[in-house]
Amino acid sequence: QKEVEQNSGPLSVPEGAIASLNCTYSDRGSQSFFWYRQYSGKSPELIMSIYSNGDKEDGRFTAQLNKASQYVSLLIRDSQPSDSATYLCAVSVDSWGKFQFGAGTQVVVTP
Amino acid sequence: NAGVTQTPKFQVLKTGQSMTLQCAQDMNHNSMYWYRQDPGMGLRLIYYSASEGTTDKGEVPNGYNVSRLNKREFSLRLESAAPSQTSVYFCASQTGENEKLFFGSGTQLSVL
Repeated sequence: QKEVEQNSGPLSVPEGAIASLNCTYSDRGSQSFFWYRQYSGKSPELIMSIYSNGDKEDGRFTAQLNKASQYVSLLIRDSQPSDSATYLCAVSVDSWGKFQFGAGTQVVVTP
Repeated sequence: NAGVTQTPKFQVLKTGQSMTLQCAQDMNHNSMYWYRQDPGMGLRLIYYSASEGTTDKGEVPNGYNVSRLNKREFSLRLESAAPSQTSVYFCASQTGENEKLFFGSGTQLSVL
C-alpha cells in the first residue's frame, strides 16, 4: 500500500511567523509532488509543484523535496490569517500520473 | 472560462436510491478523475479516465460506475446508494502526465 503521511494538526502559527508543513511518502518511484490548499467547504487549489530535489520558491511559499529521504515540505513565510486552511500533499503513484493524497494538515494563523 | 463544472452541489439520497453526478470540463483536457473526500482520510481516487473512451478503477471503486461520454464529460453513478457513500465528491481534470489537477467545486452527498 503506497502511503502519503502528513501531520493532521492543527498547526497554530502566529501571524507573521513561518509555518512548516511536512509530508512523507512510501513510493520511491514517485516523480511529481504537489501542495494544494483547501479552505473549509471549498475545492483544493494548487499552491506549489516540485519535481526535482531541492527548494522551489514562489512568493511566500517554498517547497522542499528530498527524494532520498522520501520527504517533501512546504514553508509559508510571513503567515497571514488568509493562510488558515488545510494543506494537502499529493504524490504521483505511477508513471502515468495518478496521485495519492495525504489526509492534510490544518493550519490556523492567529492574529 | 468555467473550468471544471460539477452538478449537483448537494444531494440527499435514501439507501438504495441511484443517482448520477455530472462533471464537465472546457479546457480540452484528456484526463479526468473522480475523488471522494472523507474527514481525516484525504482525497481517495474512485475512477479515472486517461482519454475519451477509456476508464479505469482507482483506490475505492466498489459501488460506483463511470462513463466518459466524450472528451468534456465524465459522470459518476451510484446504482444503489449506501450510507458509507456519504462523502464529498470532487471531479478533476489534468493538463497532461504528471501535471496538476484542476478541481470542480464538489458535491456533498448524504445517504440516509
